[in-house]
Amino acid sequence: GEDVEQSLFLSVREGDSSVINCTYTDSSSTYLYWYKQEPGAGLQLLTYIFSNMDMKQDQRLTVLLNKKDKHLSLRIADTQTGDSAIYFCAERGSQGNLIFGKGTKLSVKP
Amino acid sequence: DAMVIQNPRYQVTQFGKPVTLSCSQTLNHNVMYWYQQKSSQAPKLLFHYYDKDFNNEADTPDNFQSRRPNTSFCFLDIRSPGLGDAAMYLCATSRGTGDGYTFGSGTRLTVV
Repeated sequence: GEDVEQSLFLSVREGDSSVINCTYTDSSSTYLYWYKQEPGAGLQLLTYIFSNMDMKQDQRLTVLLNKKDKHLSLRIADTQTGDSAIYFCAERGSQGNLIFGKGTKLSVKP
Repeated sequence: DAMVIQNPRYQVTQFGKPVTLSCSQTLNHNVMYWYQQKSSQAPKLLFHYYDKDFNNEADTPDNFQSRRPNTSFCFLDIRSPGLGDAAMYLCATSRGTGDGYTFGSGTRLTVV
């Protein structure tokens, strides 16, 4: 079946880079997404990557896609305390709906 | 600003007492979704509407129903809430089923 896996926690120091990893199962997914959820809030689309791309950079965010291994990563450069949140990886399922991982809680220590 | 609005942000209901959560959108999107998100778990799709066509996920409990009276509004009805239904309920919209989602801020439901 369709499944998305992420590690649950990541802790970094302010100014360091954060790398959040994700694996997915549906090799036919055309788009893969990263969403951010701050406490008590909904999900905010951070970035996405089309499946024929290996990398996408958007300011401090870099997304890497390894289709062979079905591995997606999100790198946040110069991580700030305001980046503390839960980050969800998502793939588009066969019915068109988004399938989310459990989320990685990023804690940024000053 | 075009957006997805969920009301209320926090809802407390009694065990077994019907409750309705609402979602409205100003984006004129065709598709509206309801997700359930429990603590430390992935958001789980309950159902979605493509225009007036209702699509129920196979494992969505019968206790959950939805209505979409017009393009702008979609409601989630929980007929007899149990303690296990306490969760964050997220509404999202998209232009089509292959397009990006816009999420509301969610309604956190507490069952007492």
